[in-house]
Amino acid sequence: EPEVTQTPSHQVTQMGQEVILRCVPISNHLYFYWYRQILGQKVEFLVSFYNNEISEKSEIFDDQFSVERPDGSNFTLKIRSTKLEDSAMYFCASSEARHPYGYTFGSGTRLTVV
Amino acid sequence: DAKTTQPPSMDCAEGRAANLPCNHSTISGNEYVYWYRQIHSQGPQYIIHGLKNNETNEMASLIITEDRKSSTLILPHATLRDTAVYYCIAKETSGSRLTFGEGTQLTVNP
Repeated sequence: EPEVTQTPSHQVTQMGQEVILRCVPISNHLYFYWYRQILGQKVEFLVSFYNNEISEKSEIFDDQFSVERPDGSNFTLKIRSTKLEDSAMYFCASSEARHPYGYTFGSGTRLTVV
Repeated sequence: DAKTTQPPSMDCAEGRAANLPCNHSTISGNEYVYWYRQIHSQGPQYIIHGLKNNETNEMASLIITEDRKSSTLILPHATLRDTAVYYCIAKETSGSRLTFGEGTQLTVNP
């Protein structure tokens, strides 16, 4: 079964530091997403990405966040200057098409900002 | 996307069918019903989706009422590994985001 791979599984960073979360989507998938889940809260949409550009983003995804597909296999989420409230599980997902397909999620990166 | 309503928790005996209900009374004609689950703190896992007709795959069956205002996810023979939070999501064809609610915590008991 193809998987979405996320690295690292856990990252601890100092407040104000930049952090990059990495994802390798499923190889024939064309749509990529980032979601986050603060401990004990709902899973929240951050951004979707297709054809090398953002197709949709939420109000959470402000100027501190950016996404990139630097090569044919990786998809990254950068947080420029981390805040304590950025501590969360970050999930990457991918899909063959936007609709009507199920999304395959990775196992997540736990980001802890101290 | 239409709001969905699910019971916060349900219990099921191992080996029995688990029937998880979802209300989506304001669903529009171009919105599909998707089901995902999240085991502990892992990433959500896609289960099944449907528009009008009942659907079945290797994981589950989805029964959608004729008026499309509610649906039921059926796990035919629940196992302990099916213990998870189950999310029912209405998603329209033009959007890409999934809006997760609180879901239903299903506990499968031995």
